[in-house]
Amino acid sequence: DQQVKQNSPSLSVQEGRISILNCDYTNSMFDYFLWYKKYPAEGPTFLISISSIKDKNEDGRFTVFLNKSAKHLSLHIVPSQPGDSAVYFCAASPSQHTNAGKSTFGDGTTLTVKP
Amino acid sequence: DAGVIQSPRHEVTEMGQEVTLRCKPISGHNSLFWYRQTMMRGLELLIYFNNNVPIDDSGMPEDRFSAKMPNASFSTLKIQPSEPRDSAVYFCASSFGRGAFFGQGTRLTVV
Repeated sequence: DQQVKQNSPSLSVQEGRISILNCDYTNSMFDYFLWYKKYPAEGPTFLISISSIKDKNEDGRFTVFLNKSAKHLSLHIVPSQPGDSAVYFCAASPSQHTNAGKSTFGDGTTLTVKP
Repeated sequence: DAGVIQSPRHEVTEMGQEVTLRCKPISGHNSLFWYRQTMMRGLELLIYFNNNVPIDDSGMPEDRFSAKMPNASFSTLKIQPSEPRDSAVYFCASSFGRGAFFGQGTRLTVV
């Protein structure tokens, strides 16, 4: 059973528009959530995170929203840029304080931002 | 900061051979993780260390896999004997709270 699901394998967006990447989870023990970005031939890069005590966290063009009741989170990128084209992984962890690196990852969504 | 350094970047070996993957975490990070990425299973955690001590190795697939962290600046993941189904990209990551910082990975091919 997959505890973290990213149901959209790919997403294509025009430059300057908003990109919305979605993620669902099933394990109620998860209380810290992260987004990573991965370029080909590189390791994932930490992008942004959110604790379960919040419903929104913003960092520049990136905003993560958390809906605990729906067990759903999303990453918004606005405005999208061609350099944002990458694979985005959603990850979930039981606690920020017990090593957020010990995360369960989704399968990733490939974002393509067209110029 | 040089980031997490993994070696080698690519490894091709014959079935039955021993393979050792190496990792140097970011200085000051107290946690180290080994992940494996395959098409079938995505990114999965194999083992993680906290302050050089293995905390959770439940993701290690078989006894053929072993990992060590003799000090805060070095870790190895060993596969002995290797099998074709071990072919994957192996990532090492380190963390000090918040998110993890990943190395570039080692692409292992067992033929």
